[in-house]
Amino acid sequence: DIQMTQSPSTLSASVGDTVTITCRASESISSWLAWYQQKPGKAPKLLIFKASSLETGVPSRFSGSGSGTEFTLTISSLHPDDFATYYCHQYDTFLSSFGQGTKLEIK
Amino acid sequence: EVQLVESGGDLVQPGGSLRLSCAASGFTFNKNAMSWVRQAPGKGLEWVSTITDSGAGTYYADSVKGRFTISRDNSKNTLYLHVMNLRAEDTAVYYCVKSWVGGTTPNAFDIWGHGTMVAVSS
Repeated sequence: DIQMTQSPSTLSASVGDTVTITCRASESISSWLAWYQQKPGKAPKLLIFKASSLETGVPSRFSGSGSGTEFTLTISSLHPDDFATYYCHQYDTFLSSFGQGTKLEIK
Repeated sequence: EVQLVESGGDLVQPGGSLRLSCAASGFTFNKNAMSWVRQAPGKGLEWVSTITDSGAGTYYADSVKGRFTISRDNSKNTLYLHVMNLRAEDTAVYYCVKSWVGGTTPNAFDIWGHGTMVAVSS
């Protein structure tokens, strides 16, 4: 099974900062990677699919890149609403898996 | 409006069973693969199981294989998860999720239900 490793586990930043979250796959998954945002008590929300494609309605300050085993999610000019937990998700096969999550906190 | 509404979660004793249901609306249910994802209290997301559009293909995480069964009734636009031989570590919110496009290839999860809580305790 494919293991996904996210870093960092926790990230402290301020409104207006630009932050980057990294996700590594234990084997190549081409570009079959998605990113989700989750706020406390809520279901996750799809932000990016196929590594770099922005889901409809998601602000353009969110961007994704990478292929193979290394992927990044970048959030530019952080808004107060962006402080949440972020997960990567590989779907190279039906046996999909998630990273352990990155909690983005206000500094 | 695309919507997924889960039900069936409960407090059960170890070794017990439940059937979770997910009522889908607002999209062509029989055109999409569907999945269950769970989240233990204070923990991250864990993929549990996926079923293809027709139901011909089913896939499970190792942690639930042999104990959980995913199924669907396309005539009722409903997804199910039959969970058996429950353990304390199965305690979680169980989310019903829709694959972004397609029914026979893996894809991102674009629509999530609100979740249903399963608690396993004596």
